[in-house]
Amino acid sequence: GNSVTQMEGPVTLSEEAFLTINCTYTATGYPSLFWYVQYPGEGLQLLLKATKADDKGSNKGFEATYRKETTSFHLEKGSVQVSDSAVYFCALSPSSGTYKYIFGTGTRLKVLA
Amino acid sequence: SAVISQKPSRDICQRGTSLTIQCQVDSQVTMMFWYRQQPGQSLTLIATANQGSEATYESGFVIDKFPISRPNLTFSTLTVSNMSPEDSSIYLCSVGSNTGELFFGEGSRLTVL
Repeated sequence: GNSVTQMEGPVTLSEEAFLTINCTYTATGYPSLFWYVQYPGEGLQLLLKATKADDKGSNKGFEATYRKETTSFHLEKGSVQVSDSAVYFCALSPSSGTYKYIFGTGTRLKVLA
Repeated sequence: SAVISQKPSRDICQRGTSLTIQCQVDSQVTMMFWYRQQPGQSLTLIATANQGSEATYESGFVIDKFPISRPNLTFSTLTVSNMSPEDSSIYLCSVGSNTGELFFGEGSRLTVL
């Protein structure tokens, strides 16, 4: 079946540090991949997405590349800020046109000034 | 992206009672969903709210426990019936865009005593 595995948190970094949050997936076919962010007290917001192999999604300095050979979609940011403190969810949509997303368990990021 | 408003944003309820959560979208949407986010866990799809017909429930969720209404293309309600402490969660309304993305409301945090 389809599944998403994220690295466990919490992740604590100093401001301007490099961030990587690992995400691997299991899926049949050709899923679309997403990263969502949940800031304290708020709902989930789409951060970035990639719909096919080798696509790179990017937004707000965050990037993730759809790697089919390693079934991964790791989230990276070169220099984190305190305002990036949030919970990050990796997710997949099994195929085009379906909204039955599979979410990872979330990774809490805390950035210290 | 759609603006999704949920009410209440949070509530504390007594065991055995029921609570109805409302979801209002600022535009007409075809696909509308209800998710549950239990403490420290990922999101789980409860059901798809279908306009003008009965909701489609995922495995493990039943209409008697989580009745859903969808009277039009901008509004839906989820009721959590006969609540127990295990129902303490964040309940999230979401809508699907025509590009395959999900957008979420801010969630309704429910605590059952």
